[in-house]
Amino acid sequence: QKEVEQNSGPLSVPEGAIASLNCTYSDRGSQSFFWYRQYSGKSPELIMSIYSNGDKEDGRFTAQLNKASQYVSLLIRDSQPSDSATYLCAVKPPAGELVFGAGTILRVKS
Amino acid sequence: GAVVSQHPSRVICKSGTSVKIECRSLDFQATTMFWYRQFPKQSLMLMATSNEGSKATYEQGVEKDKFLINHASLTLSTLTVTSAHPEDSSFYICSARASGGGYNEQFFGPGTRLTVL
Repeated sequence: QKEVEQNSGPLSVPEGAIASLNCTYSDRGSQSFFWYRQYSGKSPELIMSIYSNGDKEDGRFTAQLNKASQYVSLLIRDSQPSDSATYLCAVKPPAGELVFGAGTILRVKS
Repeated sequence: GAVVSQHPSRVICKSGTSVKIECRSLDFQATTMFWYRQFPKQSLMLMATSNEGSKATYEQGVEKDKFLINHASLTLSTLTVTSAHPEDSSFYICSARASGGGYNEQFFGPGTRLTVL
């Protein structure tokens, strides 16, 4: 079982819609969770971090964490073509370094 | 957010030569730096973790004698690809984690695209 799992996609949404990206993790003791955005040919960019159960909002982005169910999600409201990228979920287990998921490709169609 | 720079952004070299890539944290001190490699359309692969003043810890399957890592200061880490071959052509990305605090945020450099002819 992979430690951090994401649906590879591609997830296609129309412009203006809400994009919902999901991630599950295996280490129940994990405490820190991150979403990175990676455009093709570029390096990952940190867009959200979340540490407590519930929702965290930053502009059009909302991260949701449910430690009991071991999932973390990212919602992107009013999706724009410029949001088209690969979104990487990363989880910090109690021991060891950040573990990245393989990423979900998001395509926003105008 | 914190800024991490990498140099060079792109390098083309002949087979058998060595290439050095620098990674700098510009506005914070990084106790720990990470080196990743990413092949086209594939996910990030962690190569090694380096702590300032210590030897790097390499992931399984990564040759430490081929990929030399030096982390001599809290703001600089270097990766040297020795005797590069075409199969080493890839996108190399460094990442830095700030010292102190408990939040473990990692920030990535812009990456170095290596092409070995």
